[in-house]
Amino acid sequence: QKEVEQDPGPLSVPEGAIVSLNCTYSNSAFQYFMWYRQYSRKGPELLMYTYSSGNKEDGRFTAQVDKSSKYISLFIRDSQPSDSATYLCAMSASGAGSYQLTFGKGTKLSVIP
Amino acid sequence: GAGVSQSPSNKVTEKGKDVELRCDPISGHTALYWYRQSLGQGLEFLIYFQGNSAPDKSGLPSDRFSAERTGGSVSTLTIQRTQQEDSAVYLCASGLNRDNGYTFGSGTRLTVV
Repeated sequence: QKEVEQDPGPLSVPEGAIVSLNCTYSNSAFQYFMWYRQYSRKGPELLMYTYSSGNKEDGRFTAQVDKSSKYISLFIRDSQPSDSATYLCAMSASGAGSYQLTFGKGTKLSVIP
Repeated sequence: GAGVSQSPSNKVTEKGKDVELRCDPISGHTALYWYRQSLGQGLEFLIYFQGNSAPDKSGLPSDRFSAERTGGSVSTLTIQRTQQEDSAVYLCASGLNRDNGYTFGSGTRLTVV
């Protein structure tokens, strides 16, 4: 079992839909959880950052972490064609030396006008 | 600079040749990372530099790979005797600390023929 599992998609939704992206993980030491957005031929761009469990909202984006289930989610409300990209979850453990990010393989999202 | 700059953006090389990839991090960022992104494989950690500390080289896949960071700023990733399996996008990221996340460059797309 890989440390981080993410459905690669592709996921295609109509403009205005609510998008749900998620990752599961196996390492209970993970404490920091991130979502990155990557456009074609660009580097990943940090979207959301959460420490431990809970929810975090930023505009149309909401990140949720459920450590008991080892499950994280990213919700996109009122999706736009400009949201079309690959979304990567990433996580790391706490403590000295735990700076490496472990990434999911990414979910490719297309928002159709 | 305004962002993380990587050069070249694309590199095609013959099998067995050496290549050097360059990363200019954001000014003032003490942490610098190299990741490799292969098709369908997600991002793979390669090496981490933090200030003047010894780098964490635990992610380098073989002794053909090496990296240095001069003066705490620019970093060079060198791949000797390139193989076809080295073909990937090599991404550099820099940051102040984990709590602020990392900023990625657009990467160098390496193709070994």
